[in-house]
Amino acid sequence: AQTVTQSQPEMSVQEAETVTLSCTYDTSESDYYLFWYKQPPSRQMILVIRQEAYKQQNATENRFSVNFQKAAKSFSLKISDSQLGDAAMYFCAYLPQGETSGSRLTFGEGTQLTVNP
Amino acid sequence: SQTIHQWPATLVQPVGSPLSLECTVEGTSNPNLYWYRQAAGRGLQLLFYSVGIGQISSEVPQNLSASRPQDRQFILSSKKLLLSDSGFYLCAWVAGFRGYTFGSGTRLTVV
Repeated sequence: AQTVTQSQPEMSVQEAETVTLSCTYDTSESDYYLFWYKQPPSRQMILVIRQEAYKQQNATENRFSVNFQKAAKSFSLKISDSQLGDAAMYFCAYLPQGETSGSRLTFGEGTQLTVNP
Repeated sequence: SQTIHQWPATLVQPVGSPLSLECTVEGTSNPNLYWYRQAAGRGLQLLFYSVGIGQISSEVPQNLSASRPQDRQFILSSKKLLLSDSGFYLCAWVAGFRGYTFGSGTRLTVV
């Protein structure tokens, strides 16, 4: 079974600084997708960024980028120029490609990010 | 565009009372649908998923059940709520490689 591990329950960063959230996963699959979701205090789950495992290039979305190391099964999220609105719980998630039964997303336990003014 | 609706937003129910949470999706057909539960400050636990009408898979034995009476409707139910059923419930559907799209959630408090 696939597992996703986020080893940092809490992180903090100063406004305008850069922070990196860690995520590792365990799978025997070669094709899959990885995601970072943000959950602000409203608890709405918001997709931040996604990465296809077959792509070597790291995904970027404005101030958000990932460092995807397939061999190491590592998928970290870097937030640049942190803003107060980035404060939230961040979840790393894994989705196997082409799963015919369910397409079940496996989540990590989350990292609570605090942004200090 | 595809949207997902979930209601109610908050619910306070006494122990032993029934429960019905509803989720509907618009703008797509035959979606895979999911119910997750989240305890305070914790990760998401998959409760049920459905790949089609009348097809329900349960991930965790519990006091809850799910039904899919229509293609784009997914219902989470209980006949008698327990205190341990309190939590934040999220409905979601999968948009292929784009991942999941989530509803806005229901905060359930069992008293």
